[in-house]
Amino acid sequence: EPEVTQTPSHQVTQMGQEVILRCVPISNHLYFYWYRQILGQKVEFLVSFYNNEISEKSEIFDDQFSVERPDGSNFTLKIRSTKLEDSAMYFCASSVLGSSGTGEQFFGPGTRLTVL
Amino acid sequence: KNEVEQSPQNLTAQEGEFITINCSYSVGISALHWLQQHPGGGIVSLFMLSSGKKKHGRLIATINIQEKHSSLHITASHPRDSAVYICAVRISNFGNEKLTFGTGTRLTIIP
Repeated sequence: EPEVTQTPSHQVTQMGQEVILRCVPISNHLYFYWYRQILGQKVEFLVSFYNNEISEKSEIFDDQFSVERPDGSNFTLKIRSTKLEDSAMYFCASSVLGSSGTGEQFFGPGTRLTVL
Repeated sequence: KNEVEQSPQNLTAQEGEFITINCSYSVGISALHWLQQHPGGGIVSLFMLSSGKKKHGRLIATINIQEKHSSLHITASHPRDSAVYICAVRISNFGNEKLTFGTGTRLTIIP
């Protein structure tokens, strides 16, 4: 069964460093999302991406964050200068269609980011 | 105020018991998801509902759009059902595809 994959599973970085989290969505999916979950808190929306551009972003998704679909398969989240409070589990998700279709989102296993 | 509220926050039950987890939301939605999160952190989609009822194995999900309420039921619960169950909604704005999450219900099934 097709699934969303994410790499790495765990990333440790120093404050101020850049990190890139990678996701491979399900191949025929068109909508892509990043969510994050700070330890002990609920999952929060970061950004959605469709047709090679951001369709919506949250207040969390400030200028330090960017997303890219560099080729036909990968979907990346870059944090330019990490802060301690960026430590969280980051989930990628994808769906075939938006609200005009089923819109069911399928989640990757997550990347645990630890900023020291 | 949270747009998505779940109850209970924690639930411990004996193996075999019938489990009900509730989700209430305060906004118009186009769909509601039930998700399962295991201790390792990964999220698995269990159901997506926009009306009525869905069943998969021992899991049943129902939604009442008028009352803005959904329930997830587990029949004949088993220790392997122990996980955090999360309700998430897709709000009814055209082009708005994001999910808004509840805080989750931590379920522990004791053998």
